[in-house]
Amino acid sequence: AIQLTQSPSSLSASVGDRVTITCRASQGISSALAWYQQKPGKAPKLLIYDASTLESGVPSRFSGSGSGTDFTLTISNLQPEDFATYYCQQFNGYPLTFGGGTKVEIK
Amino acid sequence: QITLKESGPTLVKPTQTLTLTCTFSGFSFITGGEGVGWIRQPPGKALEWLAVIYWNDDKRFSPSMKSRLTITKDTSKDQVVLTITYMDPVDTATYFCAHLDPQLVYLEMYAFDFWGQGTLVTVSS
Repeated sequence: AIQLTQSPSSLSASVGDRVTITCRASQGISSALAWYQQKPGKAPKLLIYDASTLESGVPSRFSGSGSGTDFTLTISNLQPEDFATYYCQQFNGYPLTFGGGTKVEIK
Repeated sequence: QITLKESGPTLVKPTQTLTLTCTFSGFSFITGGEGVGWIRQPPGKALEWLAVIYWNDDKRFSPSMKSRLTITKDTSKDQVVLTITYMDPVDTATYFCAHLDPQLVYLEMYAFDFWGQGTLVTVSS
């Protein structure tokens, strides 16, 4: 199975900051990657699929990039509602796998 | 609007079989292209994909769990049922069901666009 490694596992940032989260795949997955946001006690929310396509209704301050094995999720102008845990998920065939998560905390 | 909701026992004993039901609305397996998956999350840990079933009854399973999983659908009731045999305390987790967008499925993009609220299942004697 393809393994996804996210870094960092946690970070502290302030409102207005630009935040970058990395997801590395154990083998090439083209652009078959999605990003989710999860808040405590809630279900994950799809933010981005196909590495860089923004899901409908997701603010434009979220962006994704990358292909092959290295991917990034960038949040520009961090807002209070963005403090959450973020997961990447690959769908380059089955089995589907998720990264270990990155918790974005308030500095 | 698509909604999903998980239901089932909150507590099971070790070695028992867990049966979870996902009841959904806003889409139908009759339409074609639809898929529903199950994902779990142990307390404080990451998400783990378990299984998916498609409108055409195609099924996919996590290799590590395959021998213990069964997934079925009831098109008339708009439900998907997941069973896990031989439950163990390490299976304690919140179990989510989630929808796969058929437009993305046709493009072989398996990202979950709508999720249920999740149900916490504790395995303990």
